[in-house]
Amino acid sequence: GESVGLHLPTLSVQEGDNSIINCAYSNSASDYFIWYKQESGKGPQFIIDIRSNMDKRQGQRVTVLLNKTVKHLSLQIAATQPGDSAVYFCAETPNFNKFYFGSGTKLNVKP
Amino acid sequence: DVKVTQSSRYLVKRTGEKVFLECVQDMDHENMFWYRQDPGLGLRLIYFSYDVKMKEKGDIPEGYSVSREKKERFSLILESASTNQTSMYLCASSLSGSGDGYGYTFGSGTRLTVV
Repeated sequence: GESVGLHLPTLSVQEGDNSIINCAYSNSASDYFIWYKQESGKGPQFIIDIRSNMDKRQGQRVTVLLNKTVKHLSLQIAATQPGDSAVYFCAETPNFNKFYFGSGTKLNVKP
Repeated sequence: DVKVTQSSRYLVKRTGEKVFLECVQDMDHENMFWYRQDPGLGLRLIYFSYDVKMKEKGDIPEGYSVSREKKERFSLILESASTNQTSMYLCASSLSGSGDGYGYTFGSGTRLTVV
């Protein structure tokens, strides 16, 4: 079956520093990847996505990097703010009909 | 601006009760999903639907059923609630097809406690 996992369950960073959250996936056929942010008591929210024909995509303060060779995905958050504190999930799909999620990394931003 | 609406944020039900969790989306999405989320276990797929009146079992369908009579509404039913069904339930929807922006949109979740 599919397997999507995260290297670190909890990450603590200082406000203003950059954060890097990592994710490993097992299905080399996966074609599309998404990072979600879930704040306490809320549903996951879309942050950024990337197709397998790309290795980098940038958004506002966030960058996703994809390394297909080692099946690794990362989310970089620049100038981390207290509002970035949340659980971050990566998700992958080989066919766009169903996504597979990792268990999440909790990001703590220290003031 | 809410696009996937789950009818209840918090529910407390008794063991043995029949429980209905409702989910409505206003984005004309074909696909709808029900997940449960538990600490350390991540999101686990219960049921999904790619079309009206269509349903497919996910990874943990036991003790649950679903109904999709209209495109915008996907209901999760706990036939006889048990304490091990205490969890956060998340509904999601997505477009059918492929490409950027075809990921899930999630609702805010329903935290169900069975006592």
